[in-house]
Amino acid sequence: DTGVSQDPRHKITKRGQNVTFRCDPISEHNRLYWYRQTLGQGPEFLTYFQNEAQLEKSRLLSDRFSAERPKGSFSTLEIQRTEQGDSAMYLCASSPRPRRATDTQYFGPGTRLTVL
Amino acid sequence: SQQGEEDPQALSIQEGENATMNCSYKTSINNLQWYRQNSGRGLVHLILIRSNEREKHSGRLRVTLDTSKKSSSLLITASRAADTASYFCATDEDDYKLSFGAGTTVTVRA
Repeated sequence: DTGVSQDPRHKITKRGQNVTFRCDPISEHNRLYWYRQTLGQGPEFLTYFQNEAQLEKSRLLSDRFSAERPKGSFSTLEIQRTEQGDSAMYLCASSPRPRRATDTQYFGPGTRLTVL
Repeated sequence: SQQGEEDPQALSIQEGENATMNCSYKTSINNLQWYRQNSGRGLVHLILIRSNEREKHSGRLRVTLDTSKKSSSLLITASRAADTASYFCATDEDDYKLSFGAGTTVTVRA
């Protein structure tokens, strides 16, 4: 068990370009989450999946953002027409299906996006 | 919006001293978790305390929870240089979403 992995770790792009990030959760974890973290702040929830179903999306997730988890394993987060305000750390987390209330979420190392 | 709020924002202590940080939140919770983040890295889960628990220990960590005051504290005893990091409390909204505060940055001086 190698934990949650994310790729790439860093991405520098020009405004207007599209970017895609990948997250591989801990195997057999049903739930997968995406968060965004800007400098000096805590992570903010973006969206989450229960297996392949995307069950909740934050208002932070504009229509330029799309996330998928096609086979209930890895997930991708795509940002189209990037803006400078998209510059942030994008964190992925996974958890087993909780038996009660919220369970521990295990975070990956994050993808740091810089939009020039 | 972020529910949790950590206090202080920053803390500088000498190696071997204890570090205490507090977290206040606004709505009722099922549990509260503390995470650590080293500079530019992902979050590491430290401890989870459920709403029906008042105190929990894990190694050098001690967490308290007072649901009547909607507050929690994290105590790190006998701090080490490796404890230098940002510490976040996270509360659960619904049964899937964690809401984080802005964190407490702890610096342990050798």
